[in-house]
Amino acid sequence: RKEVEQDPGPFNVPEGATVAFNCTYSNSASQSFFWYRQDCRKEPKLLMSVYSSGNEDGRFTAQLNRASQYISLLIRDSKLSDSATYLCVVYGQNFVFGPGTRLSVLP
Amino acid sequence: EPEVTQTPSHQVTQMGQEVILRCVPISNHLYFYWYRQILGQKVEFLVSFYNNEISEKSEIFDDQFSVERPDGSNFTLKIRSTKLEDSAMYFCASNPGQGEAGELFFGEGSRLTVL
Repeated sequence: RKEVEQDPGPFNVPEGATVAFNCTYSNSASQSFFWYRQDCRKEPKLLMSVYSSGNEDGRFTAQLNRASQYISLLIRDSKLSDSATYLCVVYGQNFVFGPGTRLSVLP
Repeated sequence: EPEVTQTPSHQVTQMGQEVILRCVPISNHLYFYWYRQILGQKVEFLVSFYNNEISEKSEIFDDQFSVERPDGSNFTLKIRSTKLEDSAMYFCASNPGQGEAGELFFGEGSRLTVL
């Protein structure tokens, strides 16, 4: 089983849509969880950390279920500028990246 | 705002040559990393470095690769005897390393093309 798995994508959605990304991880000892965003041919950048109680940052909501080893990211009212690849990242002994899910928000 | 800087931004080399990729991490950070991303593929961990030594390395990071921090600021990745499949974007990252895992700060990457 791969360490971090994500929806294969790509997701093509109209502006204003709500889109959800799913991620699962295999290492139950993982301690910290993140969503990163990567634009085409650019470096990954932190979108948000994910806390056990769930957390929200504007249009973005992240959830963590440790029992199911599952992480999610919800984007509401999607914008054209949200088009990117979304990377699930899990920290145990190191930061392990999922393969990413590409999102295209269409006008 | 402090940032991680990498040089060169793009290097083209012949197969079999050695390349050195350079990184200047954020000055008060304690952990340094190299990641690799082959075009269209996932970001892959290569190596982490703490307290002037390797703390973890992946299966990819074999004897062909080495890292060092020669002068307290630069953090270099050396790739010996390059192969076609070494063509990728190489990202350096640093992390404050205090308390629980915080954000990884990435440089803009060095694109390596092996011909």
